[in-house]
This record gives sequence, C-alpha cells and structure tokens, in this order.
Amino acid sequence: ILNVEQSPQSLHVQEGDSTNFTCSFPSSNFYALHWYRWETAKSPEALFVMTLNGDEKKKGRISATLNTKEGYSYLYIKGSQPEDSATYLCASHSGGGADGLTFGKGTHLIIQP
Amino acid sequence: NAGVTQTPKFQVLKTGQSMTLQCAQDMNHEYMSWYRQDPGMGLRLIHYSVGAGITDQGEVPNGYNVSRSTTEDFPLRLLSAAPSQTSVYFCASSGDYNSHEQYFGPGTRLTVT
Repeated sequence: ILNVEQSPQSLHVQEGDSTNFTCSFPSSNFYALHWYRWETAKSPEALFVMTLNGDEKKKGRISATLNTKEGYSYLYIKGSQPEDSATYLCASHSGGGADGLTFGKGTHLIIQP
Repeated sequence: NAGVTQTPKFQVLKTGQSMTLQCAQDMNHEYMSWYRQDPGMGLRLIHYSVGAGITDQGEVPNGYNVSRSTTEDFPLRLLSAAPSQTSVYFCASSGDYNSHEQYFGPGTRLTVT
C-alpha cells in the first residue's frame, strides 16, 4: 500500500492571495499522479493527471508540477477566489496502471472574502 | 450521458442486514472501482474491476463483495452490515488506460446502527 501524504491539512487564505500545497508519494514504481477538487456535497472532479517527471499542467488559475524522482507534486492557485474553496485530493497510481489509486487525506482550502 | 450513477443516496441498516449498493455508468468505461470515505481518512479503495468478469481487492475489501457481469454495472454487496461500515461510498469509473482519470458518482451515505 502506498503512503500518500498531503500538507497542510487545512488552509485559510484571503481572497486574491495565491497559495500552494504539497502532495508527497513513494517515487518507486510510479505511474501517475492525480489531483482532484472536491466541493462540499459534490463528488471529486479531476483537475490534472500527470505522468512525466517535470510535468507542469495548468487550468485557468490552477497549476500543478510533478517531481517523480523525489516523490512530490505541488498544486498552485493564483489569485484565490471564494469558489476555490474545496478539498483538494491527490492520488498516486503505481504498478503500470491496473491497480487502483491511493489517495491522500486532502487539503481543505477555505478562501476568506 | 448520465455519467456515473449510484443508488440509493442514503440508507440506514441494522447490524447484520445485507444490502447492495448500485453503481452504473453509461460511458463504456472498462475500469470501475468502489471507495469509502471516512472522517479524517482519504478515499480508500474497496474493490475494483478492469473489465466485465474481472474484479480484484483494494485496500479495505473485508465485508464487501463485488461482481461485474456487464461493462455498465458494478454493484457492491454488504453481506452482514456492521457499524464499522458506516461511511460514504463512492463509485468511480475510468475509460483512459493511460491516465486512469476517475469519474466519480454522487455517493451513497450509509449508516449502520
């Protein structure tokens, strides 16, 4: 079983500020790293799936980077807005694809107006 | 497309009762999985399937059975419910063998008394 760690557990950010948080995962036998956004009373929705060391992906004000050699990924949010309030989950996928994902416990982000 | 659907949305069971949580997807996805979500824990994989007729255990399979007789459906059976199975259950599917990006259903909130 992989151990996927996310930090911080929760984060309060002022509207307009930028923020980032971390996902660390075992680098051995790495296949893919997923980021999901999970709003209250909804289902998790995929933000990014990254597979290559050095990958950078961007969707609007949100971006993510991946370092597979040292086993970490950062998620960045630029100019936070209240609608960014959510729990952000990362998940690691190992072993060539047939196995399920191992999720971290998430970072709960609250944007204060 | 309806995406991933789950029924029921809510269920209360007495200890020892059995029931089946239903999951269906209309995206012709081969890969389907069941997760449970508990306070303070990440999503934990219960069982998964890489195609009709093929299932495998995840991280927390005890007390649950699955079958995959069609591509569309992936029911989760609780054989004899226990209070420790009180949780929110999410079904997910994926059609991309490279990324395994997950599409989640709306969840079933189960309480076992």
